Amino acid sequence: ELKVEQNPLFLSMQEGKNYTIYCNYSTTSDRLYWYRQDPGKSLESLFVLLSNGAVKQEGRLMASLDTKARLSTLHITAAVHDLSATYFCAGAQGGSEKLVFGKGTKLTVNP
Amino acid sequence: KAGVTQTPRYLIKTRGQQVTLSCSPISGHRSVSWYQQTPGQGLQFLFEYFSETQRNKGNFPGRFSGRQFSNSRSEMNVSTLELGDSALYLCASMRTGLSSYNEQFFGPGTRLTVL
Repeated sequence: ELKVEQNPLFLSMQEGKNYTIYCNYSTTSDRLYWYRQDPGKSLESLFVLLSNGAVKQEGRLMASLDTKARLSTLHITAAVHDLSATYFCAGAQGGSEKLVFGKGTKLTVNP
Repeated sequence: KAGVTQTPRYLIKTRGQQVTLSCSPISGHRSVSWYQQTPGQGLQFLFEYFSETQRNKGNFPGRFSGRQFSNSRSEMNVSTLELGDSALYLCASMRTGLSSYNEQFFGPGTRLTVL
């Protein structure tokens, strides 16, 4: 059974700094998703990573996937306050559309 | 293009009652999945429907059920509500097709409070 672990669960950082959120998964995952959730809101899709070595970037966020290490990372560059949110990674297995989510990383960017 | 809609957005019920939540997927999408989000358990998969058939099911008791209609709209029902059922219930819509993956688009959710 696929299990997904994120760390850290809480992250407080200053504007302008860089940081990385890590997402480990327990067994083979066909694909890896990153979502953003603002308080009281739904999930917004950020990235879908399909293959080993995949790297995707959007603005100050960059996601990568290492299937051999069963690890995905979400790197934040020069953080700004607007990035404050909870970030989730999720895996899917065996052709199923059932997503297994990590616990989420609550990111707070302080001025 | 309209997104995923869920109704109602907020609901307050008492223990022992039952509740029905509704989800209308994006036009042309035939798959609907349901997720429960709580502070303690996080996001957990409930079930997925495709072409009116349940295709996947999570580890929830039989009190949780769902269905999908011919227009792809889906409902989920929770009977004999318990305090622990208080959660944000999210619906996700997916096109499905021949691509290697199918992106899931989430609705705004229904916040259920059980008193």
